[in-house]
Order: sequence, then C-alpha cells, then structure tokens
Amino acid sequence: GEDVEQSLFLSVREGDSSVINCTYTDSSSTYLYWYKQEPGAGLQLLTYIFSNMDMKQDQRLTVLLNKKDKHLSLRIADTQTGDSAIYFCAEQYSNYQLIWGAGTKLIIKP
Amino acid sequence: EAGVAQSPRYKIIEKRQSVAFWCNPISGHATLYWYQQILGQGPKLLIQFQNNGVVDDSQLPKDRFSAERLKGVDSTLKIQPAKLEDSAVYLCASSSSGTGNTEAFFGQGTRLTVV
Repeated sequence: GEDVEQSLFLSVREGDSSVINCTYTDSSSTYLYWYKQEPGAGLQLLTYIFSNMDMKQDQRLTVLLNKKDKHLSLRIADTQTGDSAIYFCAEQYSNYQLIWGAGTKLIIKP
Repeated sequence: EAGVAQSPRYKIIEKRQSVAFWCNPISGHATLYWYQQILGQGPKLLIQFQNNGVVDDSQLPKDRFSAERLKGVDSTLKIQPAKLEDSAVYLCASSSSGTGNTEAFFGQGTRLTVV
C-alpha cells in the first residue's frame, strides 16, 4: 500500500541550511507537496513539485525529487527561528487524494 | 480572502458521549476534506466531498463517525459514541477542483479530548 516516511526530528543551528527528507512508495503520484505546521496553527502549503520535475527553487526553499529512488527533499537555506515547525511531506494521486508522512519537527539551535 | 473556518477550537467530552464539528470552506471551493490528526502523526483522511457528494470515505469508521455536506458548502462531522482513541485534532480543508495540482487550504482544527 501507499506509504510516506520521514524522520521525526531535525536539529540545525540558526543560519545553517536544513534538509528534510521524505521517501514514498508509489510511483504513480502526480504532485508532491511540503506543508508546514506551526504550534496551534493549521497546515500551510510551502511548496510543491510536479512528478516530472527534478528540482524546484522558491526563494530560500529548494525541492529535489529523485524519482528513481522515490526520494523527496526540502532544503531551507539560512534557517531562522521562525522556521521552527513540523514539516509534512505529502503525495497526490490522480484522484487528488493526498497521502501524508508523519512529519519532521525542525528544531533551531541558537 | 477568508480562510477555512472550523468550530469549536477545543472540545472535551466523556467517552460514549456525542460530539459534532463544523466546517465552513473557502467560498467557491468544491472539494472538502475531513482529516484526523493524532498527536505525533500525519493527517489521516476520513472523508472527501466533491460538492455534496462523497468521493472517498474508505477510512471513515462508519459505525460511529458520520459526515454530511448539505448544499455543497458547510460540513459537519459527528462522532457517536466517542471512544478514548478518538482524541485527536480534526482538520477540515478545502480546495478548488480542476486539473493540475490542488492546493488544500486547512482550518486551524478542532482539538478533541475524550476522557
């Protein structure tokens, strides 16, 4: 069945780059998403990538997709304290259904 | 543009009681989702509506959970009777229909505690 996996925690120093990784099992996904969830807030779409792309850059965010290995990553350059949150990877199928990972909590050290 | 509205924000009930959650999606969004998010886990889709029809309710525990979306706008999710394991945040999301990627906009959720 479908499965999306992420590591639970990532700790980085303020100003460094953060790389959050995600693996998925189903190759028929159409889009892959990164959502951000801050404490007490709803999920917010950060960025997405179409499944026929390898890379997408959006300001401080870079998404890399390796379809062969079914691996997706989100790089946040110059990580700031405001980036502290839980980051969810999700894949979309052709019926618009989303399958979610368990989320990676990003911890920023001063 | 107003976002997805949910109420209440918090609810504490005893097991075997009933509870209902309400969601008002973004105006014009045809697709509405209810998710259950247990602490430390990603969201799990309970039900997906397209207008007032059900697209997917395969993971909805139908013996105790029910949802409706009358007139294709607002939606309610009900649990009757509640169990301890229903303690979670219930998220409502909406999206516009169409081709391509479909960004889902989420409400702040209702945190349910069953004691």
